[in-house]
Amino acid sequence: NAGVTQTPKFQVLKTGQSMTLQCAQDMNHEYMSWYRQDPGMGLRLIHYSVGAGITDQGEVPNGYNVSRSTTEDFPLRLLSAAPSQTSVYFCASSWRKNTEAFFGQGTRLTVV
Amino acid sequence: RKEVEQDPGPFNVPEGATVAFNCTYSNSASQSFFWYRQDCRKEPKLLMSVYSSGNEDGRFTAQLNRASQYISLLIRDSKLSDSATYLCVVTNAGGTSYGKLTFGQGTILTVHP
Repeated sequence: NAGVTQTPKFQVLKTGQSMTLQCAQDMNHEYMSWYRQDPGMGLRLIHYSVGAGITDQGEVPNGYNVSRSTTEDFPLRLLSAAPSQTSVYFCASSWRKNTEAFFGQGTRLTVV
Repeated sequence: RKEVEQDPGPFNVPEGATVAFNCTYSNSASQSFFWYRQDCRKEPKLLMSVYSSGNEDGRFTAQLNRASQYISLLIRDSKLSDSATYLCVVTNAGGTSYGKLTFGQGTILTVHP
């Protein structure tokens, strides 16, 4: 009954470091996405994927890369961390568009 | 103008009270509508979908007015456990690709004894 699994739950990075946030789902969902949540800003879409091998940018994609080599996994890469990327990151998946999204537990990232 | 707007609150109500949240959206082509609940430092979880005919789930009632581009959530007989942030979520038409979820900023509800 795993659903959407995100790792790590917490991370502290130094400015300029790179890292990958992992996201995996076991529900065979087509759609996966990454959001960041900041106080007063709500959840904003970073990148999304409509299936293996297909990704596209959301509203705040700068500084992030994604790939979708399998249906299950959708990692988010921070190329060169900046303090502005301090946030809570959520991965989500859904069966198809316009259906319920299931979220991972989130990754709290601090960039110093 | 934000795509999805909610009154951020906070709403502080006593147990047993009835409380209503409102949400407006700007894209008339929006297709699906949801209310999500987010507990402190947790992930959002679906509370209920919202249909044009209105729908009820126990103490929760959701309404959609497409003409006014307005969504509401009514909580009756509030419980302490209802304390959370309530997120209004709208999906865009998205053409043949992803139906992007657009979130409101959330309305904070605190139910006190």
